[in-house]
Amino acid sequence: AQSVAQPEDQVNVAEGNPLTVKCTYSVSGNPYLFWYVQYPNRGLQFLLKYITGDNLVKGSYGFEAEFNKSQTSFHLKKPSALVSDSALYFCAMTSGYALNFGKGTSLLVTP
Amino acid sequence: GAVVSQHPSWVICKSGTSVKIECRSLDFQATTMFWYRQFPKQSLMLMATSNEGSKATYEQGVEKDKFLINHASLTLSTLTVTSAHPEDSSFYICSAMKTSGSSYEQYFGPGTRLTVT
Repeated sequence: AQSVAQPEDQVNVAEGNPLTVKCTYSVSGNPYLFWYVQYPNRGLQFLLKYITGDNLVKGSYGFEAEFNKSQTSFHLKKPSALVSDSALYFCAMTSGYALNFGKGTSLLVTP
Repeated sequence: GAVVSQHPSWVICKSGTSVKIECRSLDFQATTMFWYRQFPKQSLMLMATSNEGSKATYEQGVEKDKFLINHASLTLSTLTVTSAHPEDSSFYICSAMKTSGSSYEQYFGPGTRLTVT
């Protein structure tokens, strides 16, 4: 069975500091991994994805993620957090077409 | 661009009534759409895969007779919650798959908040 795990329910970071939101995965083959962001009462917005190629993936709004096969991780990062980054972040993996989501991590960026 | 809309954005209905939620891909055709359900502060749970012109594929534990899905065109899928009960209150999100050659990507609608009283 394949799955993604987000070990942190919430991440707190001060504005201007770097942020990391963790994601690990479990899959028998090659993973297709995604990060999405959700603002309150809104749908999901795509941030970035890893299919193949460079392990460092750059996405929207200054976010990036690093695919680490040996650690089976796909952590989301941003060098300098903004208050407006505060939202719910989901890591996801696809098994065919449908997405399998992690439980989500709430990011709070304080001024 | 790739825009997916949902209508309505929120709806309140009485227990026992049925509610229809529409999911439209506005600027692309989508053979496949997905319906997810999200409880407060929880992740998205896939309910069913909607394929244009054929029956939907439901995930285990999802009642197909309660959650009716119709994908009659390449730009529209509908989810009808029949005989709604308070426990059906949730945030329902659809996504539409846009294909380009061998690659594909899902685009999500803004969600529909259903409250059953």
